[in-house]
Amino acid sequence: GEDVEQSLFLSVREGDSSVINCTYTDSSSTYLYWYKQEPGAGLQLLTYIFSNMDMKQDQRLTVLLNKKDKHLSLRIADTQTGDSAIYFCAESMGGGATNKLIFGTGTLLAVQP
Amino acid sequence: ETGVTQTPRHLVMGMTNKKSLKCEQHLGHNAMYWYKQSAKKPLELMFVYNFKEQTENNSVPSRFSPECPNSSHLFLHLHTLQPEDSALYLCASSPPGRGTEAFFGQGTRLTVV
Repeated sequence: GEDVEQSLFLSVREGDSSVINCTYTDSSSTYLYWYKQEPGAGLQLLTYIFSNMDMKQDQRLTVLLNKKDKHLSLRIADTQTGDSAIYFCAESMGGGATNKLIFGTGTLLAVQP
Repeated sequence: ETGVTQTPRHLVMGMTNKKSLKCEQHLGHNAMYWYKQSAKKPLELMFVYNFKEQTENNSVPSRFSPECPNSSHLFLHLHTLQPEDSALYLCASSPPGRGTEAFFGQGTRLTVV
């Protein structure tokens, strides 16, 4: 079945770069996502990447995709205390008019001042 | 603010109670979803609706009963729940097609006592 795995916890110092890793199993996934969840809040889409791309950059965020190894990573440059949250990677399943997402367990990012 | 509104934000109910969760979006999206987020587990997709029609039930126990009267509203009716059903229930909506952004509500924090 579908399975998306992430490490559970990452601690970095303010100003450093953070790299959150994710592995997925479904090679037919065409879109992969990174969501952020702050305490007491729902999920906020940070960025997504289409499977024919290797890299996508959006301001402080860089997504790298290694389709051969089914490995996805999110790099946050100049990490700030406001980046402290849980980060979920997700792959898009199914087709047609709906967009089912299979999520990883989430990585808790703690940014130390 | 994502445009997806869930009520109530918090709910405590006894195992013999009947309650309902509500989700509303006026984004013009065709698809709506219920997800369950339990501690230390990945988000689990529960139900998918496309233009009011249920397209997926992910082996959810019958004590959870969804209702989608129109494309803008989604309910989750709850009855005779168990303490292990305590979780954050997230609603999401998306426009047609894969690769589109799924917008999440803030969630309802449910505690079953």
